[in-house]
Amino acid sequence: EPEVTQTPSHQVTQMGQEVILRCVPISNHLYFYWYRQILGQKVEFLVSFYNNEISEKSEIFDDQFSVERPDGSNFTLKIRSTKLEDSAMYFCASGTGFTSGNEQFFGPGTRLTVL
Amino acid sequence: QKEVEQDPGPLSVPEGAIVSLNCTYSNSAFQYFMWYRQYSRKGPELLMYTYSSGNKEDGRFTAQVDKSSKYISLFIRDSQPSDSATYLCAMSKGGSYIPTFGRGTSLIVHP
Repeated sequence: EPEVTQTPSHQVTQMGQEVILRCVPISNHLYFYWYRQILGQKVEFLVSFYNNEISEKSEIFDDQFSVERPDGSNFTLKIRSTKLEDSAMYFCASGTGFTSGNEQFFGPGTRLTVL
Repeated sequence: QKEVEQDPGPLSVPEGAIVSLNCTYSNSAFQYFMWYRQYSRKGPELLMYTYSSGNKEDGRFTAQVDKSSKYISLFIRDSQPSDSATYLCAMSKGGSYIPTFGRGTSLIVHP
């Protein structure tokens, strides 16, 4: 069964460093998303991406964040200058956008630790 | 008032019990209602979704939506230890693909 994959599974970085989180969505999906989940808190939407551009973003997704689909398979989230409060699980998700219920398939997540 | 409220639990039940998980919400614009299951250190996995009010059944799982009360439920029959996970409710507005999640309820099914 096709699945969303994410790399790395765990990323440790120093405050102020740039990180890139990578995702390979399910191949026939057209909508891509990033979410984050701070430990013990709810899953929060960051950004959605369709047709090579951002379609929606939350207040969390400020200028330090960017997304890119550099080729036909990868979808990346870049955090330019990491802060301690960026430590969280980051989930990528993808969906066709055509099924009712807005079904999204989530990857296993990347745990980001900012020291 | 938070948009989506969900008791974090934990909820501990014996194997074979019927489990009832619930969420309330405040935004009447929500039209799609979803339940996700999340195992420890894994991504959420969609279990059920319903549109507007009503019931939906899938095997041991039944989702109910009562829009008049702004209340949704997930019932698990004949619960198994493998059902032990965190269950997240989520909902989205019509025309939006962006779900708003509850905090999740931790369920423990003990043998």
